[in-house]
Amino acid sequence: QVQLVESGGGLVKPGESLRLSCAASGFTFSDYHMSWIRQTPGKGLEWISFIAPGGNFMNYADSVKGRFTISRDNARNSLYLQLNSLRADDAAVYYCAREGNYKPFDFWGQGALVTVSS
Amino acid sequence: EIVLTQSPGTLSLSPGERVTLSCRASQSVSYNYLAWYQQKVGQAPRLLLSGASTRATGIPDRFSGSGSGTEFTLTISRLEPEDFAVYYCQQYGTSPLYDSSALTFGGGTKLEL
Repeated sequence: QVQLVESGGGLVKPGESLRLSCAASGFTFSDYHMSWIRQTPGKGLEWISFIAPGGNFMNYADSVKGRFTISRDNARNSLYLQLNSLRADDAAVYYCAREGNYKPFDFWGQGALVTVSS
Repeated sequence: EIVLTQSPGTLSLSPGERVTLSCRASQSVSYNYLAWYQQKVGQAPRLLLSGASTRATGIPDRFSGSGSGTEFTLTISRLEPEDFAVYYCQQYGTSPLYDSSALTFGGGTKLEL
């Protein structure tokens, strides 16, 4: 069965960095677009980044552009999100999810909590 | 950016009741690419419907969706205890490859006992 398992969340100070990972199993990872979506009590669900199956195209929401970097390793069936210059308003639960390119998000990970506080 | 507005914010209901949730888009959703998700406390969202009306695998037929353009609805014909959750709509009619605001979610409707 399809599984997405995030890791790497934690508590960081403003300005610091964090790397989230998402381990995929149960499907041919290299065939699918993947996304990162975050959720906060205040702003709700927010799509923040997207990467094509081959890793050659990606895009970001304006709120994270220039600070976050999405990548993938198809040999390891893994998706990553590098979060730099973290701010208080980046605190959220971060989900990896399958698809997003003219398709809904049909599978989601359990989420990784990122807390940004001094 | 397409803004999705869900109403009402919260509904107090009882098992067995029928409920219809609304999702209104600020502009037409291309191809009626509108999805509905269910989220329970402490869990990730789960896909219920895509393309406005197509149930995802394993979703019971008490869940149905309709609508087009800017007006969409999710109907639960007979509420079961496990249906009390938050429901979100999401549009995906634009590719995020080309548009940084392509994929948007509504603010959610909470069904409570």
